[in-house]
Amino acid sequence: NAGVTQTPKFQVLKTGQSMTLQCAQDMNHNSMYWYRQDPGMGLRLIYYSASEGTTDKGEVPNGYNVSRLNKREFSLRLESAAPSQTSVYFCASRRGQDPNQPQHFGDGTRLSIL
Amino acid sequence: GENVEQHPSTLSVQEGDSAVIKCTYSDSASNYFPWYKQELGKRPQLIIDIRSNVGEKKDQRIAVTLNKTAKHFSLHITETQPEDSAVYFCAAKAGGTSYGKLTFGQGTILTVHP
Repeated sequence: NAGVTQTPKFQVLKTGQSMTLQCAQDMNHNSMYWYRQDPGMGLRLIYYSASEGTTDKGEVPNGYNVSRLNKREFSLRLESAAPSQTSVYFCASRRGQDPNQPQHFGDGTRLSIL
Repeated sequence: GENVEQHPSTLSVQEGDSAVIKCTYSDSASNYFPWYKQELGKRPQLIIDIRSNVGEKKDQRIAVTLNKTAKHFSLHITETQPEDSAVYFCAAKAGGTSYGKLTFGQGTILTVHP
């Protein structure tokens, strides 16, 4: 039982390149989330998926797209990377039936855009 | 939308002292308040959470209190140890059909000196 697995762990991109961050969970959770973490700003929600087949924007969705491929996998895509998207990206999942349940996080992807 | 303010941004204590971190939230319908601990370079991990129908919850050296009238909640760590050094984040989940979306505070860097 690995929990939430994110790949890659590190990535360096050039401005304008595209990239997909992968996230998979093996806890049979319904809801999945993508956050970015910047110094002094906590975690900000980019997109979330309440259940398989649905996705919705969070607080900072501009410049990103997501795909809920199946119940296990939720990917985040940067179509044309910008230096402002340099950040640590965390994926999280939550069981879903009870909204007052904690989110479980992956180890993060450290993304640098030059 | 929900807004969460967290104070202080940094906190330095001596081993054995108590540490208190406070958060305020804006949405009176918020009903779930988790606290996460994040060690350097690691994932955020849930340490304690509280629901809006409870005023206080304890787990060994950690406690959380909630004042719904004042819309604030606090994390209390007693008998601090050097391994408690980390960044702590509070979060709030809005009520209604928010699908478990959390709004995070900006984080508190806790340093426990031996």
